[in-house]
Amino acid sequence: KAGVTQTPRYLIKTRGQQVTLSCSPISGHRSVSWYQQTPGQGLQFLFEYFSETQRNKGNFPGRFSGRQFSNSRSEMNVSTLELGDSALYLCASSFDFYEQYFGPGTRLTVT
Amino acid sequence: GNSVTQMEGPVTLSEEAFLTINCTYTATGYPSLFWYVQYPGEGLQLLLKATKADDKGSNKGFEATYRKETTSFHLEKGSVQVSDSAVYFCALSGAQGGKLIFGQGTELSVKP
Repeated sequence: KAGVTQTPRYLIKTRGQQVTLSCSPISGHRSVSWYQQTPGQGLQFLFEYFSETQRNKGNFPGRFSGRQFSNSRSEMNVSTLELGDSALYLCASSFDFYEQYFGPGTRLTVT
Repeated sequence: GNSVTQMEGPVTLSEEAFLTINCTYTATGYPSLFWYVQYPGEGLQLLLKATKADDKGSNKGFEATYRKETTSFHLEKGSVQVSDSAVYFCALSGAQGGKLIFGQGTELSVKP
């Protein structure tokens, strides 16, 4: 089976812009979660989607949003980018909500 | 709220040394516990898991036992290799799964 894929792998944006990141889960997995990884804050949960519905949400401002499509693919969007949004954004998919399999991440740099 | 605390790194060991990375947790109810590993420039790989008290997760020579009485899930390996050099994360999820809460990560460096 193919693993979790994320596109793009690297992204450079300017403050104030918006960005959309994409995640394709492992075939058969209907749950997709997103995490932000930074040196200062570590790994933090953003949100989780299942069957196109947000199932869980972390403590991030409303500038961070996501959605899931009927084929389980997911996107996350960050509007009005700030320097502090520079991070590795990781997507994970799961069949049973417990074992989560991560993609390689999207490295976002905000200048 | 739920939280995970790991021993601080970096941990530097010689090849074939014994490895222990401590992990303790605070959680309501009965969480599931995980160890993930991250190699440079990559995402996280699930290393092992345990879903109830006294369960032992094991994979690739690594082991960890879910100890409810001490709220711990320490990672051990009897003989480390240079290829084990990576960052290791302890994590938990609640009864409904989904959201993972991670420790801060422990960097392991194994020298030949």
